[in-house]
Amino acid sequence: DQQVKQNSPSLSVQEGRISILNCDYTNSMFDYFLWYKKYPAEGPTFLISISSIKDKNEDGRFTVFLNKSAKHLSLHIVPSQPGDSAVYFCAASVRTGGFKTIFGAGTRLFVKA
Amino acid sequence: ETGVTQSPTHLIKTRGQQVTLRCSSQSGHNTVSWYQQALGQGPQFIFQYYREEENGRGNFPPRFSGLQFPNYSSELNVNALELDDSALYLCASSPRPQGPNYGYTFGSGTRLTVV
Repeated sequence: DQQVKQNSPSLSVQEGRISILNCDYTNSMFDYFLWYKKYPAEGPTFLISISSIKDKNEDGRFTVFLNKSAKHLSLHIVPSQPGDSAVYFCAASVRTGGFKTIFGAGTRLFVKA
Repeated sequence: ETGVTQSPTHLIKTRGQQVTLRCSSQSGHNTVSWYQQALGQGPQFIFQYYREEENGRGNFPPRFSGLQFPNYSSELNVNALELDDSALYLCASSPRPQGPNYGYTFGSGTRLTVV
């Protein structure tokens, strides 16, 4: 039951360029979408979120786009920096008899200097 | 703010045994969620506690249970351990059950190995 999918296990980009991480979901009842970043030996760190009633949210170098009709969201990082190299998880939350947050499998981003 | 701390960091148990994992939430955070992360996968939601009551549960059997205490600490208990329970267990806290703008604060996890 993979309601949140990140189909690219890894992505490599040059420093200064744009990184685009993608995520697809199947449950139309999700009301919030979040992105987390994870470094080795650490827990995930919250990065940015978007409500299902919005189509874009921006925070500094990070922008999340939501396309509800396609059930697709993406995280754009501009410009990419070597310190951005990490695993990025897409997550979605829904309230159905309690709260659930579902994570994707993650995409490993490599930013080359 | 002291963040989220989990103990122990690593643990080895034998199949059939019981285990208790502990988490100390960030001060002021009355919501705690537990996740299981197998190698190469994303965190899988086990359950969430809000003000000491379970208010959400994922697809995990009843042998996974939890407790949340008034001092912002919580426990994850797993009975009758199976080999497939080997994973990283993550605790996450937040000021409210759903965190649209701030997400959850995660601990570094407890690595459980069942042999």
